[in-house]
Amino acid sequence: KAGVTQTPRYLIKTRGQQVTLSCSPISGHRSVSWYQQTPGQGLQFLFEYFSETQRNKGNFPGRFSGRQFSNSRSEMNVSTLELGDSALYLCASSARPYEKLFFGSGTQLSVL
Amino acid sequence: AQSVTQLDSQVPVFEEAPVELRCNYSSSVSVYLFWYVQYPNQGLQLLLKYLSGSTLVESINGFEAEFNKSQTSFHLRKPSVHISDTAEYFCAVTSFNAGGTSYGKLTFGQGTILTVHP
Repeated sequence: KAGVTQTPRYLIKTRGQQVTLSCSPISGHRSVSWYQQTPGQGLQFLFEYFSETQRNKGNFPGRFSGRQFSNSRSEMNVSTLELGDSALYLCASSARPYEKLFFGSGTQLSVL
Repeated sequence: AQSVTQLDSQVPVFEEAPVELRCNYSSSVSVYLFWYVQYPNQGLQLLLKYLSGSTLVESINGFEAEFNKSQTSFHLRKPSVHISDTAEYFCAVTSFNAGGTSYGKLTFGQGTILTVHP
């Protein structure tokens, strides 16, 4: 069974641009969560989707948005990029509530 | 609101020595607790979890953690570490959300880098 796949692996953008990251969960997993990982703030929850509906949202500005498609694949979008958005963005999928999260390798975003 | 505090940012130990990575949490409701590990150049993986039942939980590679409700702690221990245990370890907490079931909303600690020296 393939793991959680995130694309692209690396991204370099400039301030003010927007970016879209993609995540394909493990087959059969209907839940996808997104996290931001930085050296200073650690791992912070962005949002969680289940069956195309956003179930939970973290404390991030509205520039961060996401969606989930009918095949459970998910995308997150960051508009008007700021230097502080430079981070590793991790996607995770899960089959059941409160159970193991399967993480992807992440997308490393650098904002110049 | 929940929070997790990992008391040590870095823990250096020698091979075959015991180790304890400390984790304290804060929550006003019942919690579920996890330890995740991130090996160098690899993704996050679940090490062990506490959902209910026995307060002592074990992983397949010799780590164990004990849920202590009165001290709001979930410390991770291993009696004898190996070089291959070198990694960053994250404690995480979630709880039943009154607004609905959560599949993937975890609050993570800042992480503890465990370095095992020969």
